[in-house]
Amino acid sequence: GAGVSQSPRYKVAKRGQDVALRCDPISGHVSLFWYQQALGQGPEFLTYFQNEAQLDKSGLPSDRFFAERPEGSVSTLKIQRTQQEDSAVYLCASSLKGGSTEAFFGQGTRLTVV
Amino acid sequence: QQQVKQSPQSLIVQKGGIPIINCAYENTAFDYFPWYQQFPGKGPALLIAIRPDVSEKKEGRFTISFNKSAKQFSLHIMDSQPGDSATYFCAASSAGNQFYFGTGTSLTVIP
Repeated sequence: GAGVSQSPRYKVAKRGQDVALRCDPISGHVSLFWYQQALGQGPEFLTYFQNEAQLDKSGLPSDRFFAERPEGSVSTLKIQRTQQEDSAVYLCASSLKGGSTEAFFGQGTRLTVV
Repeated sequence: QQQVKQSPQSLIVQKGGIPIINCAYENTAFDYFPWYQQFPGKGPALLIAIRPDVSEKKEGRFTISFNKSAKQFSLHIMDSQPGDSATYFCAASSAGNQFYFGTGTSLTVIP
């Protein structure tokens, strides 16, 4: 596709509900990142994939957060038993290759836990 | 611990002015320093980026100045326009790992 696509754009979940957020990176991009952005803050790193390998998951805030990229393209971020503090915008970014190169962000998924 | 410190938090300039946003870092392993522009409800968009082997980079009205010894870099927007009103984030990364973002600067350009 032309850019990084994320779905859904908005998600309202009841506390305790499981959610799944999808990211379609730019075609051919090797690296994929997930970030969490709280209101008025900069994006905070969650996890990083190179192809299908999850190379860094140090930013995942708890074991309720899980990400996968089984075929090295589309990625899913899953949050189990959502809590109010999980409310944020979840951003996905992709870059063509490993190394410090241009990363392109999607529009994000705004998650609101009520 | 904030890996990249950004200032100011907000900035108001007149049209045609030159807003300057500053960032500082500590980790000398960082080798890539991008700036992102974000409009409300949108994802961050890459504006311009620099590597530490150069001291300045210009793309259109946007310039990055980089001071390796001081571990600081800044974004200058020449001839600013109301359409430049947005939040700007600096970031840094090393070896393609995670990007560390600053806390953002909300820029308002008054017509």
